[in-house]
Formats: sequence, structure tokens, C-alpha cells
Amino acid sequence: DAGVIQSPRHEVTEMGQEVTLRCKPISGHNSLFWYRQTMMRGLELLIYFNNNVPIDDSGMPEDRFSAKMPNASFSTLKIQPSEPRDSAVYFCASSVNEKLFFGSGTQLSVL
Amino acid sequence: SQELEQSPQSLIVQEGKNLTINCTSSKTLYGLYWYKQKYGEGLIFLMMLQKGGEEKSHEKITAKLDEKKQQSSLHITASQPSHAGIYLCGANSGGGADGLTFGKGTHLIIQP
Repeated sequence: DAGVIQSPRHEVTEMGQEVTLRCKPISGHNSLFWYRQTMMRGLELLIYFNNNVPIDDSGMPEDRFSAKMPNASFSTLKIQPSEPRDSAVYFCASSVNEKLFFGSGTQLSVL
Repeated sequence: SQELEQSPQSLIVQEGKNLTINCTSSKTLYGLYWYKQKYGEGLIFLMMLQKGGEEKSHEKITAKLDEKKQQSSLHITASQPSHAGIYLCGANSGGGADGLTFGKGTHLIIQP
């Protein structure tokens, strides 16, 4: 099993640009989560999906953030327009039986 | 919302020594999860505790959940360099398959 796959591993962009982060969950897992990790705030839940349906997006910081899960094997997190304060590591996780499996994360730097 | 407080924030321990990391919740815990994160990598699941008084062990790591289900401890015996990393506790406030809320983590450094 390849685990949760995230791409890209690193993203450097300029303020105002659109950024798209991608995630492929583990096959058979019916829940998918997007987290953001910073030194100041730790690991924050942004949004999660059950069976491809968004359940709770209360952690999404602003309208600039959006997430989609068009099918069971793919999800995207988009930031448009990006700002320097969005710089963080973004993790995707999928779960079965309440145990979360995390991807390696995307390190995002917005200059 | 549920908040998890971890202590200490960071810990430097000589190789071979024992150590304990604590996680305290502002609400009753329906499930308490311990994860380990190596620098620059994702989180790796260690253990899950659900019942008051429950204790689980894996190799040299033991985790306990107190009877009141508001505090958990992670104990490492005879620490090794491979134990270095960030330890995070996570909790599910609703008892279902919702996203976990995490503490800010404890940075563990093992000195040879």
C-alpha cells in the first residue's frame, strides 16, 4: 500500500498566485482530512470529507481557501489568491475506523 | 471546542533515560490518539486509547488514559535516538469519525 500521496512536496509561489495542493487517499478509506501545520498554531483541521461529501469546513480560514473531492481517490485544496501568511505545511489524511493515516505533506512558501 | 494541552513543549533526554509526555484535555475524551512526527514528514500513528484507565504498550512506549478520561501520558523507557521527533496527542470530541483536534506537540531530542 502506497499510503496517502500528496503533491507537490514543496511549493514556492508569489503572493496573489493560485496554489493547488493534491491528495490521493488510501484506497478503501471513506474519510479525508486537510490539515495545516505552523509553528505558532500547531496542527489545525481545515476541512474533512466523508464519502466524498464535505462534512465540516469550519476550519477553512477564509473564502480564499476551497477544497474539492470529485471522487474517492482524489482531493484538492486550492488557495486563490495566496498570501504570505498561508505559508505552512499542509497535510492530507485519510481514515478508516477512526485511525488517521497522514501523507508526507506539502511545504508551501508564499513570498 | 476541545483543546489539548501538551507538556512539556520540548524535552532533551540522554540516551537510555526514561521520559514522560503529558496531554490534558479541556473536555472528556472519547478517544485519545498518540502520533509521532519526524521532522519534515507526516504523522505516524502510535496508539489509540478509549477506555478510562486503559493502558497500551508498543515496544518501549506505553500510553495511559486516566480514569476520568481527561488526561493521557506517554512514557518511553530506555530512550533511543530513534525515539527523537515530535509527539502529538489528538482527540475526537464527538466520538465519531470526525477530524481529530491535536495538541501543539512535544519536541523530543535524544542526546547520545
